[in-house]
Amino acid sequence: NAGVTQTPKFRVLKTGQSMTLLCAQDMNHEYMYWYRQDPGMGLRLIHYSVGEGTTAKGEVPDGYNVSRLKKQNFLLGLESAAPSQTSVYFCASSPAGPLSTQYFGPGTRLLVL
Amino acid sequence: ILNVEQSPQSLHVQEGDSTNFTCSFPSSNFYALHWYRWETAKSPEALFVMTLNGDEKKKGRISATLNTKEGYSYLYIKGSQPEDSATYLCAFLDNQGGKLIFGQGTELSVKP
Repeated sequence: NAGVTQTPKFRVLKTGQSMTLLCAQDMNHEYMYWYRQDPGMGLRLIHYSVGEGTTAKGEVPDGYNVSRLKKQNFLLGLESAAPSQTSVYFCASSPAGPLSTQYFGPGTRLLVL
Repeated sequence: ILNVEQSPQSLHVQEGDSTNFTCSFPSSNFYALHWYRWETAKSPEALFVMTLNGDEKKKGRISATLNTKEGYSYLYIKGSQPEDSATYLCAFLDNQGGKLIFGQGTELSVKP
């Protein structure tokens, strides 16, 4: 039981490049979330999903897209990376809605030059 | 924009000291408050989910109280140990949007 895993762990991008971050969970959780964490700020929700095939915007969705084609995977895409997207990205999942505990992945550190 | 504030930002205590810190959140439209513990180089781990005014939760030496009417929660650590060193996050959930809003965390350092 791996819990929540994220790929890759670290990536350097040039401005304008695109990439996809993968989050996978093996706990059969319905809800999945993508957060970004920046110095001096709390975790901020980018997008979330309440089930396979559904996605919704969070607090800071601009510049990101997501897909949840399979229940166990939640992909975060950056179509044209910008230096402002330099951050640490955390994925989380929870068995039910936001009243239930969220289980976090180890994070992906992204540097956009 | 919902504001969730945690204080202090950082705290340094000696092993054996008891300590507490605060999470402040909007008192209207309250639905739930989460507490997480985040060790360096690891992922946040859940401590408590609190929903009722006056709620008290306990896990070992860590406990939390909740006052939804005035919009704050306290996290207490009794007899701090070096392994308690971590950032403690609170997250507020209102009854409107269903999304957790995290505070910036309190970084606790416990010296042996």
